[in-house]
Amino acid sequence: GAVVSQHPSWVICKSGTSVKIECRSLDFQATTMFWYRQFPKQSLMLMATSNEGSKATYEQGVEKDKFLINHASLTLSTLTVTSAHPEDSSFYICSARGSYTEAFFGQGTRLTVV
Amino acid sequence: AQSVAQPEDQVNVAEGNPLTVKCTYSVSGNPYLFWYVQYPNRGLQFLLKYITGDNLVKGSYGFEAEFNKSQTSFHLKKPSALVSDSALYFCAVRVSGGATNKLIFGTGTLLAVQP
Repeated sequence: GAVVSQHPSWVICKSGTSVKIECRSLDFQATTMFWYRQFPKQSLMLMATSNEGSKATYEQGVEKDKFLINHASLTLSTLTVTSAHPEDSSFYICSARGSYTEAFFGQGTRLTVV
Repeated sequence: AQSVAQPEDQVNVAEGNPLTVKCTYSVSGNPYLFWYVQYPNRGLQFLLKYITGDNLVKGSYGFEAEFNKSQTSFHLKKPSALVSDSALYFCAVRVSGGATNKLIFGTGTLLAVQP
C-alpha cells in the first residue's frame, strides 16, 4: 500500500502559540488530503478536505481561521493550529488519496496544549 | 442521512477462535465500503474494501469481509483470531462530499483477543 508520513508524532506547546503539522504522501501523488481529529475512545471527526492547489473545504463547526490548511503540492499538506488552547489538545490524523480508491493514513499527531 | 453503524463497542474472543466485527451502512446508491484498523496512538491502516464484484472480500492479515446488500451489512471476519489482532477497528463508507468524496466512519469496535 501507499505510505503517508505525518510529522511530528507528538508535540507539546504553550497556550497561545501556533503549531504546524505536516502530512506527506511518500510514494504517490495525493490529489486530495483529509484532516481528522480524534478524541479519546471516539471515532474520527473529519475537519476538512483539501485538494491540491485549492482552498480547503471545512466541515460544519470547524473554524477555518483557527485550523489553517495548506495543500500546495501533490505530496504535502499542512495543518496549522493557530493560537492553540488546551481544548485543542487532541489526536490529529491526516489521510491522502490519489489514484487508489482507498485513502491512506498518517501515523497521527498527539497535540498537548499546556 | 448517510451513515455507518458499528453496534458493538467491544468484541472479546479467545485466541484461535473465529471473530466477527459487525458493520451496517445506510447510503444512497452503490456503496464503497472499507475496513481500517488502528493500534494505540497510531493512524489507521487499510485492511480491505468493497467496490463491486464478489461479495466476499479478502484483505490484509487474513481478514475478510462479506458484503450483504439485502441486510446492508459489511461484517469483518477472521477464521482464527490472534492476540496481535487486538486493536480498534473502523468501518467506513465513501460518500459524495460536494466536489470530493469523503469517508464516514463508524464509531469503532475494540477487539480484544485473549490468549
